[in-house]
Amino acid sequence: SQQGEEDPQALSIQEGENATMNCSYKTSINNLQWYRQNSGRGLVHLILIRSNEREKHSGRLRVTLDTSKKSSSLLITASRAADTASYFCATASGAGSYQLTFGKGTKLSVIP
Amino acid sequence: EAGVAQSPRYKIIEKRQSVAFWCNPISGHATLYWYQQILGQGPKLLIQFQNNGVVDDSQLPKDRFSAERLKGVDSTLKIQPAKLEDSAVYLCASSPYPPVNNEQFFGPGTRLTVL
Repeated sequence: SQQGEEDPQALSIQEGENATMNCSYKTSINNLQWYRQNSGRGLVHLILIRSNEREKHSGRLRVTLDTSKKSSSLLITASRAADTASYFCATASGAGSYQLTFGKGTKLSVIP
Repeated sequence: EAGVAQSPRYKIIEKRQSVAFWCNPISGHATLYWYQQILGQGPKLLIQFQNNGVVDDSQLPKDRFSAERLKGVDSTLKIQPAKLEDSAVYLCASSPYPPVNNEQFFGPGTRLTVL
């Protein structure tokens, strides 16, 4: 079963704007990751946030995690046409478990 | 460093036929995963290998799906016989054990269409 649920399902913005995607999950987690999938390609790991962290930055990416609300958000600042892709959150839970459970994803379109 | 290789990239078959997918993980990665990604959804884990042993195949439909990783390197996923609902992208991923930052490295996938 899929743990994460991304919101919105689809997002269309102009180049240069910020894009925010949200993910909710159901059970306690060890960490949460975000992956990007370009059309017809495999997934690429973007960023990981551990359950004891609240915010993480990587370049133009900012991830927040609220374990009390079982939710995370991914912010992409100053978006570019090349950011057009589907974005998935994936959760890892359970002691010693490295398995990931993916959400349904948010399809982001950045219009030049 | 070469990435995860998968073949074929595309496959079209009729229902009730058989099909096999091949995956070669990143060199040295002990853990290999097969996922099924139906259009509009996220990847769903089918089976996880640690070297040549199965760690978890609880979501593999064993009446029609099988997978092996005999020498602990490359792996094959087979569907026999295929159903219409098997149309999906089949993704292979690998990671070292233990994984660094829990990251998995994905191949480009095989897009299967069952007619």
